Amino acid sequence: SAVISQKPSRDICQRGTSLTIQCQVDSQVTMMFWYRQQPGQSLTLIATANQGSEATYESGFVIDKFPISRPNLTFSTLTVSNMSPEDSSIYLCSVSPTERQLNTEAFFGQGTRLTVV
Amino acid sequence: LAKTTQPISMDSYEGQEVNITCSHNNIATNDYITWYQQFPSQGPRFIIQGYKTKVTNEVASLFIPADRKSSTLSLPRVSLSDTAVYYCLVGEGPNQGGKLIFGQGTELSVKP
Repeated sequence: SAVISQKPSRDICQRGTSLTIQCQVDSQVTMMFWYRQQPGQSLTLIATANQGSEATYESGFVIDKFPISRPNLTFSTLTVSNMSPEDSSIYLCSVSPTERQLNTEAFFGQGTRLTVV
Repeated sequence: LAKTTQPISMDSYEGQEVNITCSHNNIATNDYITWYQQFPSQGPRFIIQGYKTKVTNEVASLFIPADRKSSTLSLPRVSLSDTAVYYCLVGEGPNQGGKLIFGQGTELSVKP
């Protein structure tokens, strides 16, 4: 298994500002992902955080709005830039362990609850 | 990735068996079926995964018919703490590369 620590757990931010969310894993993992979960909705994949290279974004998400860093195999950050109230959501980090052939599950952090006012 | 369809919500009482069915008509040969559970204010948690027939673990059973176009998650003797949203996912390979595409999920409410 993998233990994921996300910081901050929640924040209230002013529109037009940016917030960086950190995801720390207790072991090296090959795959790291960022999801968004809007109030009362399911999870939507934002991007795959690639170690040592640019993140791979899903349709509807762009690097200028959601820049992602992945400096090593245990850490990633997601920045929500130039925030508006529509960005109010829970943002979740997810990982898949390196031993893909042995593990059949993805692990999620507790999430960061963001409110933009 | 195959689209999944689940009931939006279900109600049950403590001690009952709950069966949540998921439709995935366009499932591909390499696709696995995985179920996740999400409690309020928490990230999703893996419950069970299968490819065909029946899989059982300490938490649940997963029934997959021969055509694999649907699957049923079975929770035996639910308790209040099983109140959560349950997601059915279909994707390639055992862990789908970690890239999970979530459908709407089924909100299960267990009453005393």
